[in-house]
Amino acid sequence: QVQLVESGGGLVKPGGSLRLSCTASGFTFSNYYMAWIRQAPGKGLEWISYISTSSTYTNFAGSLKGRFTISRDDAKSSLYLQMNSLRAEDTAVYYCVRENVATFDYWGRGTLVTVSS
Amino acid sequence: EIVLTQSPGTLSLSPGEKATLSCRASQSVTTSSLAWYHQKPGQAPRLLISGASSRATGIPDRFSGSGSGTDFILTISRLEPEDFAVYYCQYYDNSLLGYTFGQGTKLEIK
Repeated sequence: QVQLVESGGGLVKPGGSLRLSCTASGFTFSNYYMAWIRQAPGKGLEWISYISTSSTYTNFAGSLKGRFTISRDDAKSSLYLQMNSLRAEDTAVYYCVRENVATFDYWGRGTLVTVSS
Repeated sequence: EIVLTQSPGTLSLSPGEKATLSCRASQSVTTSSLAWYHQKPGQAPRLLISGASSRATGIPDRFSGSGSGTDFILTISRLEPEDFAVYYCQYYDNSLLGYTFGQGTKLEIK
């Protein structure tokens, strides 16, 4: 069965950096676009970024361009999110998701990132 | 940028009743790129409907989606206890190459 497992969340100070990882299993990772979505405490869902197969294309939500970087390692079936210059408003649960024809058909359980001094 | 507005914000119903949730887009959207999810407390969201009306794998037939243009509806024909959750609509904008979510509708037990 499809599994997506995030790791790397935690407490970080404002201005700091964090790298999230997601390990996928149960499907041919290299055949799918992948994405990150986040959810601030008590709030709705916010799409962050996606990466195409072969890492050919990436795109980010406008407010996050320049601070976040998405990458993938198909040999390791892994997805990454490098987050720099973190702010309090970046505090959220970050979900790794599989993209499939304009929808997100599988989600990880999420990893919590807390930005606080 | 297309904005999705969901209504109502909160819907209070009893098990066995019918639920009708609305998602309105700020401009006409491609039906094939409209999806619905629900999220139970403490869990990740789950895909319910893709292409505005196609149920995802394993989703019961009491869930149905409809609509076109700017107005989309998610209907739950007879509510089961496990259906009480937050529901989100989502759109993929092929011109901006990005995704947007509605703000959510909370379906609560009356």
